[in-house]
Amino acid sequence: GENVGLHLPTLSVQEGDNSIINCAYSNSASDYFIWYKQESGKGPQFIIDIRSNMDKRQGQRVTVLLNKTVKHLSLQIAATQPGDSAVYFCAENGDDYKLSFGAGTTVTVRA
Amino acid sequence: DAGVIQSPRHEVTEMGQEVTLRCKPISGHDYLFWYRQTMMRGLELLIYFNNNVPIDDSGMPEDRFSAKMPNASFSTLKIQPSEPRDSAVYFCASSATNSGTGELFFGEGSRLTVL
Repeated sequence: GENVGLHLPTLSVQEGDNSIINCAYSNSASDYFIWYKQESGKGPQFIIDIRSNMDKRQGQRVTVLLNKTVKHLSLQIAATQPGDSAVYFCAENGDDYKLSFGAGTTVTVRA
Repeated sequence: DAGVIQSPRHEVTEMGQEVTLRCKPISGHDYLFWYRQTMMRGLELLIYFNNNVPIDDSGMPEDRFSAKMPNASFSTLKIQPSEPRDSAVYFCASSATNSGTGELFFGEGSRLTVL
């Protein structure tokens, strides 16, 4: 069939609620994972990272969970705010400095 | 601190014209990356440099694309001749080996429209 573009997952969340964004990665040898946030018209910005020897890491209002068994990464945002509306990308890094990015999830915060 | 600086922010050109995008990485960073973002393909790595040397250009779409890094503070991505399918946002990013993480710092991007 015709490729009409990437099907980006979307998440609509009520302001003040918690958000969970999921990502499946492909390379079992990846040892470093990052979440990026991209606001409209801007470049991606670092949110939080985690190494493969950890399964959880917390930042300010954000938590990243890593499940290596099923190659799954998630980003949890506590008390979601309007400023959290953006596209969120997970990225993985193997033994070089190349980051491979996922397709992205569009988060919309409802007031 | 100045981040990664890209120019131009927007460029509209006609098919067949040469396009040059410019990037100034963060001072002290030894890795520089060029990415392309489109709705169809997302964020794609085109090429990256370490200490001004191209390491991996396997993502460069075809010979019409070329990238240079003449010194540690400047890189260019050139498209000649440009085609409408090159329309995209082109991001430059830099990182530092000694950061221990490989975190990329992205510029604001150059939005290219080829008519």
